[in-house]
Amino acid sequence: KQEVTQIPAALSVPEGENLVLNCSFTDSAIYNLQWFRQDPGKGLTSLLLIQSSQREQTSGRLNASLDKSSGRSTLYIAASQPGDSATYLCAVDDYKLSFGAGTTVTVRA
Amino acid sequence: EAGVVQSPRYKIIEKKQPVAFWCNPISGHNTLYWYRQNLGQGPELLIRYENEEAVDDSQLPKDRFSAERLKGVDSTLKIQPAELGDSAVYLCASSLDLTGSTEAFFGQGTRLTVV
Repeated sequence: KQEVTQIPAALSVPEGENLVLNCSFTDSAIYNLQWFRQDPGKGLTSLLLIQSSQREQTSGRLNASLDKSSGRSTLYIAASQPGDSATYLCAVDDYKLSFGAGTTVTVRA
Repeated sequence: EAGVVQSPRYKIIEKKQPVAFWCNPISGHNTLYWYRQNLGQGPELLIRYENEEAVDDSQLPKDRFSAERLKGVDSTLKIQPAELGDSAVYLCASSLDLTGSTEAFFGQGTRLTVV
């Protein structure tokens, strides 16, 4: 059974600092890995999708890397803003889309 | 283009009552998922459809939960009878490709409270 772990569980940083969110998974036989954002009381918003053959994916201030062999992905958010405050979830797709518990980020103005 | 649409957004019921949730996926998406999310946790898969076929329902509590996806489009998830522990957010998601190589898009969820 795929196990997905996200560390840290919570993170608080001052505005302007770069964010580094970690995701690890136990079974490297995946199709892709997806990062999501979830605001309180809302659904999940897709941020980035990395195919298993890719090493990284970028969208604006967001960059996600994938090391499938070691079972790790990292989401970098550059120059954080208060609007980046949310819970960030990673999900690995091994035909099942298994989620971690998320990292709750607070960006202080 | 409309995203994944779920209804209702909120539902409060007494224990032992039935409840149903509805999901309309993005047009043309073959794969549909139902997830349950408890407070402070990540979503957990309940059932996954490819078109109208349930290809993974191993985590669905079949004694009280049922689901259907008619004509491979809309889907309904039902709980009968509901228990206090069923209080959670129920999320529906869809993706285009059957091979797992495309993005999954989520609806806003239905927050169920069982009292």
